[in-house]
Amino acid sequence: GAVVSQHPSWVICKSGTSVKIECRSLDFQATTMFWYRQFPKQSLMLMATSNEGSKATYEQGVEKDKFLINHASLTLSTLTVTSAHPEDSSFYICSAIIGLSGTEAFFGQGTRLTVV
Amino acid sequence: AQSVTQLGSHVSVSEGALVLLRCNYSSSVPPYLFWYVQYPNQGLQLLLKYTSAATLVKGINGFEAEFKKSETSFHLTKPSAHMSDAAEYFCAVSDRGGYSTLTFGKGTMLLVSP
Repeated sequence: GAVVSQHPSWVICKSGTSVKIECRSLDFQATTMFWYRQFPKQSLMLMATSNEGSKATYEQGVEKDKFLINHASLTLSTLTVTSAHPEDSSFYICSAIIGLSGTEAFFGQGTRLTVV
Repeated sequence: AQSVTQLGSHVSVSEGALVLLRCNYSSSVPPYLFWYVQYPNQGLQLLLKYTSAATLVKGINGFEAEFKKSETSFHLTKPSAHMSDAAEYFCAVSDRGGYSTLTFGKGTMLLVSP
């Protein structure tokens, strides 16, 4: 089956630093990937849609200069949290679809970010 | 715009009892509906999906859900709960005719007691 891998699984960083999270499709090409944020005991909120070779589309209220998304290849999308603050601490999850229209969204295992 | 309402943030059942997790949706177009399961500190796993074919959908691990247009519901059921079913369950809707852009409910934590 299709596998999406996120790295790292968890990360702790100091306020003001930047953190990069990788999302890889291991056995398929993912033209489109999605980044979600999940606060404790809450649902997933879509942050942005990442398309290979083009700029990401951000949801309303998401700061694109703070959450930098790069989708340079068909198997890798990265989310960089810049100048991290404690309020950025959250669980970040990516998903990917196969092909252009997508037949199912496959989710990564998530990354727990803690900013101290 | 679409939305999903999951009734009950927590549902507790005994092992072997019926599991019923409720989901109601709103969508301006015929929806695609999904149920996902999330174990602690993990991503989401698809349990089942409704894509305008049969209204009764069977998924993995013995779960099934029925799409009822008149009630705008897509409740998840399992005849007999197992301890390993304890997890967070999310109902999601897509209104763009595909599986890609999902709107999630707030989730229901299923607790299973021996």
